[in-house]
Amino acid sequence: QQQVKQSPQSLIVQKGGISIINCAYENTAFDYFPWYQQFPGKGPALLIAIRPDVSEKKEGRFTISFNKSAKQFSLHIMDSQPGDSATYFCAATPNSGGSNYKLTFGKGTLLTVNP
Amino acid sequence: NAGVTQTPKFQVLKTGQSMTLQCAQDMNHEYMSWYRQDPGMGLRLIHYSVGAGITDQGEVPNGYNVSRSTTEDFPLRLLSAAPSQTSVYFCASSSPGLNNEQFFGPGTRLTVL
Repeated sequence: QQQVKQSPQSLIVQKGGISIINCAYENTAFDYFPWYQQFPGKGPALLIAIRPDVSEKKEGRFTISFNKSAKQFSLHIMDSQPGDSATYFCAATPNSGGSNYKLTFGKGTLLTVNP
Repeated sequence: NAGVTQTPKFQVLKTGQSMTLQCAQDMNHEYMSWYRQDPGMGLRLIHYSVGAGITDQGEVPNGYNVSRSTTEDFPLRLLSAAPSQTSVYFCASSSPGLNNEQFFGPGTRLTVL
């Protein structure tokens, strides 16, 4: 059973455009939703994260939008740059008490930003 | 700080061989986890540990063993390798806390023939 569904699998965007990646979850116990960025040959690295007590979080060009009632969250990359080309993973975990060692990941989105 | 380190970077095994993937962290993190990454599957949790001497199973534990004798080290053992265990393996560590980041190592690419 896939607990975090991510779409699209791949995304091609022109430089300066907006990249949007969507995720949906099923487990209502999830209460911490990080996004990870992975470059080829490297381990994933935390990009931005949100908790369900807010509907949006912005860090620079990266924004998470969160819809608790729909159990959906999305990553928006504004002014996309070729350096943003990477694989992006959404994840979720029941973080209550700090249990951030059991991440459930989406299947990933390969983002390509053309110059 | 070196962060999370993993050895080896690459490994080729024959079916039935055993090996240990090493993972170490120098951030004094209590929590450590092992994930495997397969094409189109994302990362899936194999085993995790919340402290020295404490381990538990994740989503895909079959065929793998772990132990945690020190805070720093969390080795993953394959007792009898199978082609289905061909994957990229990532170790991660973190501290307790509501918004604390899980830090990932650079990965070990394992091929089982």
